[in-house]
Amino acid sequence: GAVVSQHPSWVICKSGTSVKIECRSLDFQATTMFWYRQFPKQSLMLMATSNEGSKATYEQGVEKDKFLINHASLTLSTLTVTSAHPEDSSFYICSAHLSGNTIYFGEGSWLTVV
Amino acid sequence: QKEVEQNSGPLSVPEGAIASLNCTYSDRVSQSFFWYRQYSGKSPELIMSIYSNGDKEDGRFTAQLNKASQYVSLLIRDSQPSDSATYLCAVNIGGGADGLTFGKGTHLIIQP
Repeated sequence: GAVVSQHPSWVICKSGTSVKIECRSLDFQATTMFWYRQFPKQSLMLMATSNEGSKATYEQGVEKDKFLINHASLTLSTLTVTSAHPEDSSFYICSAHLSGNTIYFGEGSWLTVV
Repeated sequence: QKEVEQNSGPLSVPEGAIASLNCTYSDRVSQSFFWYRQYSGKSPELIMSIYSNGDKEDGRFTAQLNKASQYVSLLIRDSQPSDSATYLCAVNIGGGADGLTFGKGTHLIIQP
């Protein structure tokens, strides 16, 4: 079964609204989680590193005020896309590292902004 | 800047043949290397990981790493139609503390 769970699997929202995506590690604690975005026919691009109990680290070109990340517990990180626009429509995927190089990906969340 | 390069394909291979997928990376201090398979609309799934120079075999899959040439490859023996997917090469520079840098992926088609 899945060791990293994402919710929702897909979401449609209106332009200008905000949407939250959850990433949970199951049966293990993850002090660090990662958020990726994948546009159609493109590769996964790392957006940010989510750190439990501290601020997220964003990759160059990713707006921290638009993509809010909260990692309030050792098993949950959330990504909130604020004031979503159609160009934010994408496949969002999280990952968590169990230990060292053991990396688990969530199932991904499809976001469509209309 | 971290870069991982792959030929986007499509790479077409007859069923039963060997599929060879290649990847180069730019950051010489990269430590860990991964091959993921991704079906359309799905999350990537890990095929192989490799950390030291040489070959690593797991069933029909063999990963090859050459750090001097900054090159990593994946061989799939006895290719099956179910192997048709996009294969992503990923590199981790700092171990568990860093996210992965992905290549754009190679679209592999296994022809029955």
